[in-house]
Amino acid sequence: GESVGLHLPTLSVQEGDNSIINCAYSNSASDYFIWYKQESGKGPQFIIDIRSNMDKRQGQRVTVLLNKTVKHLSLQIAATQPGDSAVYFCAENFGTGANSKLTFGKGITLSVRP
Amino acid sequence: NAGVTQTPKFQVLKTGQSMTLQCAQDMNHEYMSWYRQDPGMGLRLIHYSVGAGITDQGEVPNGYNVSRSTTEDFPLRLLSAAPSQTSVYFCASSYSWTVNTEAFFGQGTRLTVV
Repeated sequence: GESVGLHLPTLSVQEGDNSIINCAYSNSASDYFIWYKQESGKGPQFIIDIRSNMDKRQGQRVTVLLNKTVKHLSLQIAATQPGDSAVYFCAENFGTGANSKLTFGKGITLSVRP
Repeated sequence: NAGVTQTPKFQVLKTGQSMTLQCAQDMNHEYMSWYRQDPGMGLRLIHYSVGAGITDQGEVPNGYNVSRSTTEDFPLRLLSAAPSQTSVYFCASSYSWTVNTEAFFGQGTRLTVV
């Protein structure tokens, strides 16, 4: 079947290196951001989130950086492993209450070379 | 704990046929949504619901109907399938629409309309 990763930008990294995946978001009023990982044939899986009152958040092997000045979000993966190969999506949330919506970027394919 | 369950996983329809994609979550989440994913397009919001009895349109609602009669279930109906609706469909749920939290996704339904 056709892969959702087709036609997406691809980042190729060597196993063991650090990966940096970048995302430009669209709405300066967005107040919550999430990175998702999607492996082939599966639904998106939560990796890490960050709220707009923060500029950095760390998880296990992952760090998200938020630069609100230029509307830029990045995901750093330390010591990239073959299991990290997937499509990565950033998502931004804006609006409040019932008008709150999560909007996804187009995704970036991460390919890990052994 | 099953999380978000989608059925069927695969479906082939003829143009003009109707069908319902099922989505159920067992996490007592208020917020549920449907996305479609096309190659190189990321995830686009079709419809969403902030609670039982309440639904609203997302980015690409045309050709789809939804209802939310219970907290657990959020079916997506295609009234008259068209080839342009060939896509992978994901259902997602979140704990609350009043507080930004991560969305949990189902495994997806791959729909082909011929």
